[in-house]
Amino acid sequence: NAGVTQTPKFQVLKTGQSMTLQCAQDMNHEYMSWYRQDPGMGLRLIHYSVGAGITDQGEVPNGYNVSRSTTEDFPLRLLSAAPSQTSVYFCASSPTGGNTEAFFGQGTRLTVV
Amino acid sequence: GQSLEQPSEVTAVEGAIVQINCTYQTSGFYGLSWYQQHDGGAPTFLSYNALDGLEETGRFSSFLSRSDSYGYLLLQELQMKDSASYFCAVSTGGFKTIFGAGTRLFVKA
Repeated sequence: NAGVTQTPKFQVLKTGQSMTLQCAQDMNHEYMSWYRQDPGMGLRLIHYSVGAGITDQGEVPNGYNVSRSTTEDFPLRLLSAAPSQTSVYFCASSPTGGNTEAFFGQGTRLTVV
Repeated sequence: GQSLEQPSEVTAVEGAIVQINCTYQTSGFYGLSWYQQHDGGAPTFLSYNALDGLEETGRFSSFLSRSDSYGYLLLQELQMKDSASYFCAVSTGGFKTIFGAGTRLFVKA
């Protein structure tokens, strides 16, 4: 049972570079989301999706893009990395959204220099 | 704006009971969740309350009062392995879940 798989686990980027954080789930969940976690600030919602082809913005969407072409995959794209995007990124999935248990991936630790 | 308030740190002794409070102010409310996160790990789900009252799951219980915009997580028979961060989270509607900043629990021998 893989659950939610995020790749890579660690990444260092230079300012201005772009990259895609991958997230895949094998539980056939409709709802997927991306959070960033910074010290003392908990988890902040970046983008979320309620099903294939449907995405929406969370609390801190600027500088990030998402797409949801399949139920399984929900990649997060950083368009032009900035030091302020240094953080730990978590992908989560759940069957129907906020009122059910969310399953989190192991996180991607991103450093932008 | 939307906010969830919880204490930043709590310290308790092994075998004791500890309560972690959460007050919230959000534009919508569908329910209150609690998650546990060990250092370097991913958050894991503990409980969910949609209605007022107490939900019990083993050593952990969670309480909600919608009229007071308040909830708490109660941990009984504390063990060293319970040392972790605990997050409350509110489902605000529109499929959004907002997390608090987290409470770091230290369990001492």
